[in-house]
Amino acid sequence: KQEVTQIPAALSVPEGENLVLNCSFTDSAIYNLQWFRQDPGKGLTSLLLIQSSQREQTSGRLNASLDKSSGRSTLYIAASQPGDSATYLCAAVDEKLTFGTGTRLTIIP
Amino acid sequence: NAGVTQTPKFQVLKTGQSMTLQCAQDMNHEYMSWYRQDPGMGLRLIHYSVGAGITDQGEVPNGYNVSRSTTEDFPLRLLSAAPSQTSVYFCASSYSMTGGYTEAFFGQGTRLTVV
Repeated sequence: KQEVTQIPAALSVPEGENLVLNCSFTDSAIYNLQWFRQDPGKGLTSLLLIQSSQREQTSGRLNASLDKSSGRSTLYIAASQPGDSATYLCAAVDEKLTFGTGTRLTIIP
Repeated sequence: NAGVTQTPKFQVLKTGQSMTLQCAQDMNHEYMSWYRQDPGMGLRLIHYSVGAGITDQGEVPNGYNVSRSTTEDFPLRLLSAAPSQTSVYFCASSYSMTGGYTEAFFGQGTRLTVV
């Protein structure tokens, strides 16, 4: 059974700093790894999808990497802004999506 | 594009009542699924479907039924609501393809309270 872990559960950083969110998964036989953002009381917004044949994906200030052999993915956020405050979820995709419990990120102005 | 649309957004039920949560997508996605999100538990898969007429159970299927008569719609039925089913429910869809799935898209959720 796939298990996904996200550490830390919560993170507070001053505005402007670069930061890394971590995601680990137990079964490396995945199709994709997808990162989402969730604002309080809202749905999930897809940020980045890394296919199993890829090592990383970039979108603006976001960069996600994938190392299947070690069962790890990271989401790098450059030059953080208060608007980046949200919960970030990763999901390992095989026949279904298996989610971590998320990292709640607070950017301090 | 509407994407994935869930209705209703909020619902209060009494214990024992039944209801259907609606989910529709306009992206012609084969794969659709239902999740529930509870504090400290993350998102857990209830049921999923890989195409019209095909459904399967996820991690927490008890107390829920699904059917998939069209590609666009994937309703979730609560047979006899219980307080343990108080949660936020999300529907998702994606393309299935050889070797995997494309990006998954989620609806805005249905917040259900069972009293």
